[in-house]
Amino acid sequence: TQLLEQSPQFLSIQEGENLTVYCNSSSVFSSLQWYRQEPGEGPVLLVTVVTGGEVKKLKRLTFQFGDARKDSSLHITAAQPGDTGLYLCAGPPTGTASKLTFGTGTRLQVTL
Amino acid sequence: NAGVTQTPKFRILKIGQSMTLQCTQDMNHNYMYWYRQDPGMGLKLIYYSVGAGITDKGEVPNGYNVSRSTTEDFPLRLELAAPSQTSVYFCASRKANWDWREGQSTDTQYFGPGTRLTVL
Repeated sequence: TQLLEQSPQFLSIQEGENLTVYCNSSSVFSSLQWYRQEPGEGPVLLVTVVTGGEVKKLKRLTFQFGDARKDSSLHITAAQPGDTGLYLCAGPPTGTASKLTFGTGTRLQVTL
Repeated sequence: NAGVTQTPKFRILKIGQSMTLQCTQDMNHNYMYWYRQDPGMGLKLIYYSVGAGITDKGEVPNGYNVSRSTTEDFPLRLELAAPSQTSVYFCASRKANWDWREGQSTDTQYFGPGTRLTVL
């Protein structure tokens, strides 16, 4: 089983602060995705990274895929209360594109 | 488009009871998935289907069954409910995107709103 470990598990910060969430594995993934899940709802896809070293930006969110395709990070600049939620990374296990392995999750709370 | 819909939203079961969680998607996606999410945790795959008539086990299939008679519907059956099955259940469907630069498929999974199940 290819595991995706996320850190930190919990993060509570004030509005305006910056933060980084990490997603690490000992296995290589062909691509990695980041989802955000708000309370009482299903996860929603934020981004997919497919190339080692790739950096993608989505407004205040910056996603990076490690050169070796074993890790990824999500950096949020000037966090806002609307960023509050559970952030999940996910990737297809080796040998299949039919399903995803999800990370352990990082719960972010942004307060005023 | 309704996307992925799940019913019921909430359910309380007694130990040993059975029930079916319904999932329907109107996006004509071939792939569908059932996950469970325990409090504060990530998602664990229960079963998935790559098309009508084809299903396969995920990480945690014990105690569950599925069927896929149509493209739209993917019900999840609990036969003998146990307290360990208390969880939030999410259904998802998948649209595959082909990335021409990388020559590979990238997944986009669309999730339903979830069913919160408590077994007492």
